[in-house]
Amino acid sequence: GESVGLHLPTLSVQEGDNSIINCAYSNSASDYFIWYKQESGKGPQFIIDIRSNMDKRQGQRVTVLLNKTVKHLSLQIAATQPGDSAVYFCAEVWAGTALIFGKGTTLSVSS
Amino acid sequence: DVKVTQSSRYLVKRTGEKVFLECVQDMDHENMFWYRQDPGLGLRLIYFSYDVKMKEKGDIPEGYSVSREKKERFSLILESASTNQTSMYLCASSFRQHNQPQHFGDGTRLSIL
Repeated sequence: GESVGLHLPTLSVQEGDNSIINCAYSNSASDYFIWYKQESGKGPQFIIDIRSNMDKRQGQRVTVLLNKTVKHLSLQIAATQPGDSAVYFCAEVWAGTALIFGKGTTLSVSS
Repeated sequence: DVKVTQSSRYLVKRTGEKVFLECVQDMDHENMFWYRQDPGLGLRLIYFSYDVKMKEKGDIPEGYSVSREKKERFSLILESASTNQTSMYLCASSFRQHNQPQHFGDGTRLSIL
């Protein structure tokens, strides 16, 4: 269940703010994690991934943090833009099969 | 860029019909997956395949079957459609190597009347 970091089904931010989206995973044996973005009417789009031997990975405007002690994952989006509005969800991968967990977080960015 | 193409964006069928959903990927991926996505339930894995003619059950395989005759194509079959199979169906593919991201198509919204 949830421990550190509250999963919120919705998150509203102002354009230019930083956004933090949290996720808890269930299987301590999971060794690979992925963040996806899903815009309305589209399939999930790969954003960034992280392996369990890392605790932080950065991409373009996005950073993923992994805390294996409490089985928690977060996605940080810097300088959030209206185009970032979407549903974000994380997936844990174990034994080659992706387990999509949680219902996602809907990010709304207002200008 | 990876391209996963699902043959239909929207589909309406009747209860009891046999329904075929097609998915094609152009990246020579070994793995292919079928999910359904429902409000409040997230994505759930129906079936997946690691190779041609190979299939494995996911979390909710009941009422579904799959076919993988060619590496690039993975078909989902609803043997006798029921109203509770109304959903968004998503296909994904990935390389076989460990820890590779799955890439998704844009989905087929299926309505069973």
